[in-house]
Amino acid sequence: EAAVTQSPRSKVAVTGGKVTLSCHQTNNHDYMYWYRQDTGHGLRLIHYSYVADSTEKGDIPDGYKASRPSQENFSLILELASLSQTAVYFCASSWDNSYEQYFGPGTRLTVL
Amino acid sequence: QQKVQQSPESLIVPEGAMTSLNCTFSDSASQYFAWYRQHSGKAPKALMSIFSNGEKEEGRFTIHLNKASLHFSLHIRDSQPSDSALYLCAVGGTGNYKYVFGAGTRLKVIA
Repeated sequence: EAAVTQSPRSKVAVTGGKVTLSCHQTNNHDYMYWYRQDTGHGLRLIHYSYVADSTEKGDIPDGYKASRPSQENFSLILELASLSQTAVYFCASSWDNSYEQYFGPGTRLTVL
Repeated sequence: QQKVQQSPESLIVPEGAMTSLNCTFSDSASQYFAWYRQHSGKAPKALMSIFSNGEKEEGRFTIHLNKASLHFSLHIRDSQPSDSALYLCAVGGTGNYKYVFGAGTRLKVIA
């Protein structure tokens, strides 16, 4: 079974603070993704990457930065956290865009 | 830009019923069509996928794809309370083609 881990699993941050969410995969997948999910809703793509040291903007990149230092690791950075960024964040990986994505367990972020 | 829409938004069915979920997409160049299931508090997990027109059956689940009508669907035979979840459809393609999820259908199966 493909493995994607995320840390932390939950976090409380203050408005204006910096938050870094980390994702690690052991699947040897080229593609990695960051999504946010608001309560009861679907997934919205924030950033994705198909090769180390390169990231691409998704549908809602404003307020977020991403970093892919290696094939296995993909981080999401909120430089100035805001209340509207309270959500559950999922990381996923896949072989490419025509294969299934494997999701991590999610990080519940609360910004106060 | 690819638009993926699901219907209905929510659905309540009795145990043992047939459940049908729908997904429409806007880009005819799409190549990968999948359904994911997400139980409450858990991560989404791929359920089934299809690449070419037609249907594919796995146990109680069947996926239909009609590229000409830009539509695919998931049918659940003999629905069980354990099938209660958020169902997400997804559309993708090769290379840098953006992978897009629908907003989801929330299914509740009552015993």
